Amino acid sequence: SYELTQPPSVSVSPGQTARITCSGDALPKQYAYWYQQKPGQAPVLVIYKDSERPSGIPERFSGSSSGTTVTLTISGVQAEDEADYYCQSADSSGTTLVFGGGTKLTVL
Amino acid sequence: EVQLVESGGGLVQPGGSLRLSCAASGFTFSSYWMSWVRQAPGKGLEWVANIKQDGSEKYYVDSVKGRFTISRDNAKNSLYLQMNSLRAEDTAVYYCARVLELLSSYYFDYWGQGTLVTVSS
Repeated sequence: SYELTQPPSVSVSPGQTARITCSGDALPKQYAYWYQQKPGQAPVLVIYKDSERPSGIPERFSGSSSGTTVTLTISGVQAEDEADYYCQSADSSGTTLVFGGGTKLTVL
Repeated sequence: EVQLVESGGGLVQPGGSLRLSCAASGFTFSSYWMSWVRQAPGKGLEWVANIKQDGSEKYYVDSVKGRFTISRDNAKNSLYLQMNSLRAEDTAVYYCARVLELLSSYYFDYWGQGTLVTVSS
């Protein structure tokens, strides 16, 4: 079955830049999406179509894509950004959706 | 305001059945794909199933095929998940999510707060 691979954890100090990667063979053909989930809450979409930011999401959140890897970048990390982040995409058929395993962002 | 409210979760024995419901409001329900996504305790998100606006297309993750059935009632603005032959590994919070389609790519823009399903004897 198709898989997306994320690092389990990323740690940064406040004000620094956090980069979270997501790798998958179908990513050159399928868009990627990113969700933020804080404890006890439902996920929130922070990036769609690889690099687009929904309204209401701070400009410090950005996304990029290169080959089989997509990256979520959080510039000027704030304490409130501490959360789990999940990438999501689809297999080459587009009908099977998949999430990455999630990355816990710790703000030191 | 878009609202998705799940219900129907609870404790069920292995091999048992449960039907989840999701009441939608604040948008034209019949215009959107809808989905169920689950999260086992302390684990990551897992897509479970999708259903097209008119119910004519349904897709499932392999682990639930033949056991779970997604359905909808557009007249009642409601989404359902019938879960049969439940296993311990189906224990999770089940989220209802609205799906956006972008050039045959699908993603989730609104989520409910989830309902917990526990499969245990």
